[in-house]
Amino acid sequence: EADIYQTPRYLVIGTGKKITLECSQTMGHDKMYWYQQDPGMELHLIHYSYGVNSTEKGDLSSESTVSRIRTEHFPLTLESARPSHTSQYLCASSELRGSGGTDTQYFGPGTRLTVL
Amino acid sequence: RKEVEQDPGPFNVPEGATVAFNCTYSNSASQSFFWYRQDCRKEPKLLMSVYSSGNEDGRFTAQLNRASQYISLLIRDSKLSDSATYLCVVASYNQGGKLIFGQGTELSVKP
Repeated sequence: EADIYQTPRYLVIGTGKKITLECSQTMGHDKMYWYQQDPGMELHLIHYSYGVNSTEKGDLSSESTVSRIRTEHFPLTLESARPSHTSQYLCASSELRGSGGTDTQYFGPGTRLTVL
Repeated sequence: RKEVEQDPGPFNVPEGATVAFNCTYSNSASQSFFWYRQDCRKEPKLLMSVYSSGNEDGRFTAQLNRASQYISLLIRDSKLSDSATYLCVVASYNQGGKLIFGQGTELSVKP
């Protein structure tokens, strides 16, 4: 089992609230990622980080922001939640394998967000 | 066109059947290939990496055809516990090694 954790697992919140989704990993991985996934749809990368103080936007535009002050922690923040933000948010981290440079990503259990 | 495309599902098969999933990718610079498994309402988990020479892990066999930009996953003697969505995943170092996920193919194994 991967040591990557997300809290809360489920969040139901009203429009306009500020929320922070937590993600932490104890594997010492440098790379961390946030994905968004709607039911029955593919994962879309919204943010990633290659290490402390590194953050990049992913392929899918998102109104959320992220920070990476510590290696093990990669929180995602929505300043003002809207119903269109309702989705599942999955955090992942990766190691760099020795041969071939392939990355294996380990996923957290996800946060299922509902904005009313 | 999506960067990674998979067979549309769902696949409904009886226990013991052999099932094959196909996947194509559009970026010829892709260098790493994986199959992930995602159970309903759970996170994706790595099933196996896919190597150029093809590789096998128990009942699962993965093949890669770089010329055709095609990846496959074969499951032999399918079990009820194999029911899940199978995600084809590709990474390219000219895209910073980011993983690109296919939309997944759902498999349902029936008794």
